[in-house]
Amino acid sequence: GQNIDQPTEMTATEGAIVQINCTYQTSGFNGLFWYQQHAGEAPTFLSYNVLDGLEEKGRFSSFLSRSKGYSYLLLKELQMKDSASYLCAVTGGYQKVTFGTGTKLQVIP
Amino acid sequence: DTGVSQDPRHKITKRGQNVTFRCDPISEHNRLYWYRQTLGQGPEFLTYFQNEAQLEKSRLLSDRFSAERPKGSFSTLEIQRTEQGDSAMYLCASSFQPGRASTDTQYFGPGTRLTVL
Repeated sequence: GQNIDQPTEMTATEGAIVQINCTYQTSGFNGLFWYQQHAGEAPTFLSYNVLDGLEEKGRFSSFLSRSKGYSYLLLKELQMKDSASYLCAVTGGYQKVTFGTGTKLQVIP
Repeated sequence: DTGVSQDPRHKITKRGQNVTFRCDPISEHNRLYWYRQTLGQGPEFLTYFQNEAQLEKSRLLSDRFSAERPKGSFSTLEIQRTEQGDSAMYLCASSFQPGRASTDTQYFGPGTRLTVL
């Protein structure tokens, strides 16, 4: 089965940098997704990591270590609109994508 | 708009009634997923289709739930004899993946919020 762990809530200041961690234990691993979900809205795709290392996409970066079962999402130059839940999700073998419970990020002025 | 669409956006029903939701995926996407999401939780997988074939169904899904994708395009999710515990957001997502691997990026629709009274 799949088990995904991420903090429930985080608070950060506008303009700062925040790192959201995700650890996972899976039977088989293909890759790890990060999705953003604003309250009352559907998740939107942010990143997908297959190989170890850091992938940068504008203000957002995602890191993966397959040997440690660990990933993080790094958000730079935080903006108020970044207040949302951030979902870590893992795929393995031919199985479905399994989502974590999400980290609710609050950006304060 | 060429994204995933879902209908209705909101549904209020009485316990014991049947409800049906529709999802129209992004055209050319061969995979279609259904998820259920409750407050404070991540999306929970229900089932998925590759073209018209239903390839996997969650063990958590009771026999009151059924999904179809008869022509490999739109899909319907039906819940029979609804219970209050069925109240949730039902999300549909689509993707393109030519093989059976689960490495596809899923694009979500806006969801159908179900309230069972």
